[in-house]
Amino acid sequence: GAGVSQSPRYKVAKRGQDVALRCDPISGHVSLFWYQQALGQGPEFLTYFQNEAQLDKSGLPSDRFFAERPEGSVSTLKIQRTQQEDSAVYLCASSLRVAGVYEQYFGPGTRLTVT
Amino acid sequence: SQQGEEDPQALSIQEGENATMNCSYKTSINNLQWYRQNSGRGLVHLILIRSNEREKHSGRLRVTLDTSKKSSSLLITASRAADTASYFCATEFGNDMRFGAGTRLTVKP
Repeated sequence: GAGVSQSPRYKVAKRGQDVALRCDPISGHVSLFWYQQALGQGPEFLTYFQNEAQLDKSGLPSDRFFAERPEGSVSTLKIQRTQQEDSAVYLCASSLRVAGVYEQYFGPGTRLTVT
Repeated sequence: SQQGEEDPQALSIQEGENATMNCSYKTSINNLQWYRQNSGRGLVHLILIRSNEREKHSGRLRVTLDTSKKSSSLLITASRAADTASYFCATEFGNDMRFGAGTRLTVKP
C-alpha cells in the first residue's frame, strides 16, 4: 500500500516568506509526528498529533512554526517569516501504537532552503 | 534536544565485514528502536528491543540492550554495499521519539 507522502519534496524560500509543507500519512494511522533534521544530524521532534488533536508541540522552535491536522488525516506544517536557520529537511511520520510501542513510518521529507 | 548519542560518528568497512554501532541514552526507556536512512530518503524502521529484553535478532541484524549502562549496540553481519546508510537509535520520550545524531556507515565493495 501507499506509504507516507510529503510535498513538496524541495522548497526554496526567500527569507521572510511563509511556507506550507504537507504530509499525507498512511491511511488509518492515528498518530502523526513532525521532525526537523539538520544536515548531518538526527531528526529533532517538533510536534505530535493523535487524530486531529495536537497533543505535544513542545519541539516547535518558535511561534513562527504552526502545525495542523484538522480532519485527523493530512497535516500541514507552516513556517511564517522564514529565517535562514529554518533550512533543514522536515520529516513527517505516521504510526500505529501497537502493544504500547510506536513504530513510525517516515515520509521522504521536504528539503527547505531559505535564501 | 537529542536523547541518544551514537558512536562512532562514521564507520568505513569492506563488504563482508561486520559493523558495530553503539548508542547511549540519558533517561529510562520502555523500548529502543534502530532506524536506517539512505541518503536523501526518509528513515526506515529496522528493529525494536524492549527494556526487558537483552538481545534481539532480525536477519543479519543483532541488537543488544544494557539498561544498567543505558546503552545499546547494533551489529550488522556480513555487510553489503547496500548497507551504506546512516543508522539512528531512537527512544520514546513521552509522546515522541528522540533520535541520536547517527552513525554514517560506508561499506566498500
